[in-house]
Amino acid sequence: AQSVTQLGSHVSVSEGALVLLRCNYSSSVPPYLFWYVQYPNQGLQLLLKYTSAATLVKGINGFEAEFKKSETSFHLTKPSAHMSDAAEYFCAVSDVTGGFKTIFGAGTRLFVKA
Amino acid sequence: KAGVTQTPRYLIKTRGQQVTLSCSPISGHRSVSWYQQTPGQGLQFLFEYFSETQRNKGNFPGRFSGRQFSNSRSEMNVSTLELGDSALYLCASSLNQGARAGELFFGEGSRLTVL
Repeated sequence: AQSVTQLGSHVSVSEGALVLLRCNYSSSVPPYLFWYVQYPNQGLQLLLKYTSAATLVKGINGFEAEFKKSETSFHLTKPSAHMSDAAEYFCAVSDVTGGFKTIFGAGTRLFVKA
Repeated sequence: KAGVTQTPRYLIKTRGQQVTLSCSPISGHRSVSWYQQTPGQGLQFLFEYFSETQRNKGNFPGRFSGRQFSNSRSEMNVSTLELGDSALYLCASSLNQGARAGELFFGEGSRLTVL
């Protein structure tokens, strides 16, 4: 069965610093991978998705993620953090073995210091 | 285009009661998934419906059930509520079954508190 592990439940960065949120997946077949963001008292919204096209995926708000099959990783990065990036971020996986249901990681809360 | 609408947004129940939550997907979306979100467990998959049929099911007890209507609206029901059922219940819709290479569109959730 597919699964997702997000390293670090909390990450704190200074405004303007690099953001790096780590995600490792487990899937026996080529997966679809996603990053979602959740702001307080809201549902989740899609940041970006990997669907076996380019391994470097660009998303909204300046975020990008790189699919590395050899490392089974899909880390999320942003070159320069902004205060408005403070939120919870979820990595997710979906594949044919799971009937294409989307399974989420535990989430990483990002804090941005002024 | 209206987003995913969940009702009610907040509700308080007592142990042993039952609750029904409603989700109206984005117009044209035929797949509806339900998730339970708690601080300790994160987002846990409950079930997914596509064209009125349950296509996927998570590892929840039979007290948790759902259905989907012909207009794609979905309801989930939790019977004999327990304190541990307190959570944010999120509904997500998508065009196709299982978010096949696609995107899930989430509602704002129904926050259930069980006393």
